[in-house]
Amino acid sequence: GQQLNQSPQSMFIQEGEDVSMNCTSSSIFNTWLWYKQEPGEGPVLLIALYKAGELTSNGRLTAQFGITRKDSFLNISASIPSDVGIYFCAGQLTQGAQKLVFGQGTRLTINP
Amino acid sequence: GAVVSQHPSRVICKSGTSVKIECRSLDFQATTMFWYRQFPKQSLMLMATSNEGSKATYEQGVEKDKFLINHASLTLSTLTVTSAHPEDSSFYICSARGRGRADTQYFGPGTRLTVL
Repeated sequence: GQQLNQSPQSMFIQEGEDVSMNCTSSSIFNTWLWYKQEPGEGPVLLIALYKAGELTSNGRLTAQFGITRKDSFLNISASIPSDVGIYFCAGQLTQGAQKLVFGQGTRLTINP
Repeated sequence: GAVVSQHPSRVICKSGTSVKIECRSLDFQATTMFWYRQFPKQSLMLMATSNEGSKATYEQGVEKDKFLINHASLTLSTLTVTSAHPEDSSFYICSARGRGRADTQYFGPGTRLTVL
């Protein structure tokens, strides 16, 4: 089936550092979503992107929908301990499509 | 953001019994609900998609007779794991998509199922 390649798989950073992760695909996506999941919890929506080139911020988080519609990135600035978790990208292939395609996740660990 | 709840948050049952998990959209009408399964340190695996008032669409490899899904109203979907076995132990997560939020799925907090 369709897959999203999410990288990196894991990150170990110092508190205060900036973080960048991305997802790429060989397919064109109509929507890109970024979620964060903490242990034992469901994913929480961070940012939703609907148009190619769209750049959206949510506090210290910024995400962009790639111009080619085949990629997206998520940046976290000035990381803090509560940013720890697993970040998933998800894409929707066509407008109105019901299913999401998920990336493998990026596990973020922060050293205080 | 939209709120989706799941109940129970965790359940332990004996092998051979059935377990029902509820998923509710609390502040919007969910025209479509999704059920996922997640194994440790892995991404979410879609099990089935259910539209209100119609039969669920199961992903390849998911047994529809084992994982019964009912989406009887615009705010409630249930997943029943029938005749559960230890290999069914997993983290089950629902998500909901509704009118006015057509391209965004909101997830519930998940249900940890342990089958002894």
